Amino acid sequence: DAMVIQNPRYQVTQFGKPVTLSCSQTLNHNVMYWYQQKSSQAPKLLFHYYDKDFNNEADTPDNFQSRRPNTSFCFLDIRSPGLGDTAKYLCATSRWADRGETQYFGPGTRLLVL
Amino acid sequence: KQEVTQIPAALSVPEGENLVLNCSFTDSAIYNLQWFRQDPGKGLTSLLLIQSSQREQTSGRLNASLDKSSGRSTLYIAASQPGDSATYLCAVINNAGNMLTFGGGTRLMVKP
Repeated sequence: DAMVIQNPRYQVTQFGKPVTLSCSQTLNHNVMYWYQQKSSQAPKLLFHYYDKDFNNEADTPDNFQSRRPNTSFCFLDIRSPGLGDTAKYLCATSRWADRGETQYFGPGTRLLVL
Repeated sequence: KQEVTQIPAALSVPEGENLVLNCSFTDSAIYNLQWFRQDPGKGLTSLLLIQSSQREQTSGRLNASLDKSSGRSTLYIAASQPGDSATYLCAVINNAGNMLTFGGGTRLMVKP
């Protein structure tokens, strides 16, 4: 089945130790999104890629970076994680960036920063 | 800046009850509103999408209504079942943008 896959599902890292989260998709969608969802809070969009074009949200910290080496894969890099970065990170895809397009979400990666 | 609020944050009901989840948004200039379901360990699944010109959408036991002028939407679940237990999130897309703004969700527990 076509799907959005995130690895790892759970990640524990130390304060300040760089960490990379992975997302892959078999939908061949043009757009990939990264959201941060803290406990009992709304998912918050960090950035998205439209094909190779990177679009950063205005309030996304510089500590968060992303790479999209090809259509299928997108990575979230946290250069120096802080305790406040403990959250679930959701990856989503859509065929286009139009407002009416459905977004398909992966299961998320739970990140714990100690 | 659009803000989306969901009340209550958590809800526990016995099986078979009809229930209503609430969503409110501060900017009524929306393009559409969606209701999602989030299960533990799984991604978000879109349940219903209401365009700004529509008043409601129905899918099975679910009915979502939209009152754009008052900035409110409700998700009605009829004859609730334990399998309905999940977190329900609403999200809007503004006319001025194309990104989803989510509410904090309502965590629903339906007890057998």
